[in-house]
Amino acid sequence: DTAVSQTPKYLVTQMGNDKSIKCEQNLGHDTMYWYKQDSKKFLKIMFSYNNKELIINETVPNRFSPKSPDKAHLNLHINSLELGDSAVYFCASSQGFRGLFSNEKLFFGSGTQLSVL
Amino acid sequence: QKEVEQNSGPLSVPEGAIASLNCTYSDRGSQSFFWYRQYSGKSPELIMFIYSNGDKEDGRFTAQLNKASQYVSLLIRDSQPSDSATYLCAVNVYGQNFVFGPGTRLSVLP
Repeated sequence: DTAVSQTPKYLVTQMGNDKSIKCEQNLGHDTMYWYKQDSKKFLKIMFSYNNKELIINETVPNRFSPKSPDKAHLNLHINSLELGDSAVYFCASSQGFRGLFSNEKLFFGSGTQLSVL
Repeated sequence: QKEVEQNSGPLSVPEGAIASLNCTYSDRGSQSFFWYRQYSGKSPELIMFIYSNGDKEDGRFTAQLNKASQYVSLLIRDSQPSDSATYLCAVNVYGQNFVFGPGTRLSVLP
């Protein structure tokens, strides 16, 4: 069983469209994340979320919104897609939240390559 | 802004040599440190973590942490072409989220 799974793996769409990426983890973790990795491989956090608190990176446009139906799922919805949104988006999860546990580790999904044309 | 810095590389080493990857961090509140390996087109994979000053060895990998100097390094002994990848340093800070460095691209030449 894949620990953190996300779909789709590839997403090609036109500018202005709305799209969603789904993520599920079966690790029993309390916290899930969305990261964006640009063409230079830099991983930048977009959101972190547990059942009590959503932390939004202030640089993320409000066209991006996380939606969590339950602890094991954190989907990413993107409105009005722009060319600059093209990147790889990774879902991740960890047991703790914001360094609560010094030994917490971060596990990644396989990534979604988003291409906006 | 919490920062984690790495040399972007590429770092090229011959097969069988020791590859040394370095990372510095700015937040003295950093409490745990991680090395992720990322092959092209794949997701980051956790290969080492270290919490205390000193060395931690796992197979061909050794992580070294010096909190006073705020650096963490990864040594790969007997480097293999299959070790060619981007290595991401990450730190976990109490009250913050995981912060990643820009990654170092390693190329092991046969």
